[in-house]
Amino acid sequence: AQKITQTQPGMFVQEKEAVTLDCTYDTSDPSYGLFWYKQPSSGEMIFLIYQGSYDQQNATEGRYSLNFQKARKSANLVISASQLGDSAMYFCAMRANAGGTSYGKLTFGQGTILTVHP
Amino acid sequence: GAGVSQSPSNKVTEKGKDVELRCDPISGHTALYWYRQSLGQGLEFLIYFQGNSAPDKSGLPSDRFSAERTGGSVSTLTIQRTQQEDSAVYLCASSFYGSGTGELFFGEGSRLTVL
Repeated sequence: AQKITQTQPGMFVQEKEAVTLDCTYDTSDPSYGLFWYKQPSSGEMIFLIYQGSYDQQNATEGRYSLNFQKARKSANLVISASQLGDSAMYFCAMRANAGGTSYGKLTFGQGTILTVHP
Repeated sequence: GAGVSQSPSNKVTEKGKDVELRCDPISGHTALYWYRQSLGQGLEFLIYFQGNSAPDKSGLPSDRFSAERTGGSVSTLTIQRTQQEDSAVYLCASSFYGSGTGELFFGEGSRLTVL
């Protein structure tokens, strides 16, 4: 079984500052993928970034980077230069990549609400 | 269409009635997923289709919930004898088998309110 834990119900950050959203996970699968999604108040789910468990480098996508610490089972999302439009709910999720496959259900955490102040 | 399409976007029903929620995935996506999201909560997995078969239906909360997928495309989630605790946003997602990350593409959801 897989479990995702997001311990920060809410986070606040000043515009243009960086913020780290925490995510820890638990799995017995040797191969897995970690995802971050953003859900604005409109309700849509927006894919942000992906990290494979065997990837040597931390994933980056524009202002988003994933601080992957495999031994600590953490996959924190770092948002640099925060913008007002970053205010949203952020979800960490994982999937077992059994047999090297890249499909299957994602298990989601409870989410962190990020508020960016001007 | 370009994205995952769900209908209806909003549904209000009376306790005890049956409801059907529809999902039209992105063309060519072989995998389809149903999730449920209660107000302010995370996403709860319901069922996953690969083609027309459902290798994982472990998240369906009771036998009142069922889902089918036909032609490897459109899926319908049916809730029989609805209860107030069924009120939630039902999200559908699809993904492409063989893509690098296999990320899920989500629809905008169907908001169900059971009175």
